[in-house]
Amino acid sequence: NAGVTQTPKFRILKIGQSMTLQCAQDMNHNYMYWYRQDPGMGLKLIYYSVGAGITDKGEVPNGYNVSRSTTEDFPLRLELAAPSQTSVYFCASSYSRQGKAEAFFGQGTRLTVV
Amino acid sequence: DAKTTQPNSMESNEEEPVHLPCNHSTISGTDYIHWYRQLPSQGPEYVIHGLTSNVNNRMASLAIAEDRKSSTLILHRATLRDAAVYYCILGGGSYQLTFGKGTKLSVIP
Repeated sequence: NAGVTQTPKFRILKIGQSMTLQCAQDMNHNYMYWYRQDPGMGLKLIYYSVGAGITDKGEVPNGYNVSRSTTEDFPLRLELAAPSQTSVYFCASSYSRQGKAEAFFGQGTRLTVV
Repeated sequence: DAKTTQPNSMESNEEEPVHLPCNHSTISGTDYIHWYRQLPSQGPEYVIHGLTSNVNNRMASLAIAEDRKSSTLILHRATLRDAAVYYCILGGGSYQLTFGKGTKLSVIP
């Protein structure tokens, strides 16, 4: 099983550029999440989704957008990249709310904005 | 979500048991206690979770105090691969898990 797959693994963006971080899971999980992790810190929730067509903001949503057209995919869009968005981004999925169920994480996308 | 308190770092010798403590004095009755770990340059990995009773799985054991205000993650025999940051997290009705800084475990060969 692939689990949660994130692409790309690394990316360098210039200030003002846009990009989409891809996330796909093959476990038929309804719940999916995007986190960011700054150096030496814990993870912070950006957006989450409880099923296809349903998304909501997490703790740090500013500067990001998401969509969920299928159960499998949950892309994260950066519209106007800023240096403050330099971070490692993790996608996760679970069959129930993360507070009650095991979550599966991808390997991360390391993004640098210069 | 209620907060947890963990030591910043711990050391263990290889092949010895490791007890990682976590305090959560403001835990609510519906909060599950989760443990995740993060190896260098990897995403977090689920270890174990429980509500009231002690739990065992192939990776570790979770010992929960009777008053639920503290818990201990037990790695029965540390290996070099267990060197990671271990996060103790409370999760209940919230959609998210709140990750703190965790405990950095070093395993000495």
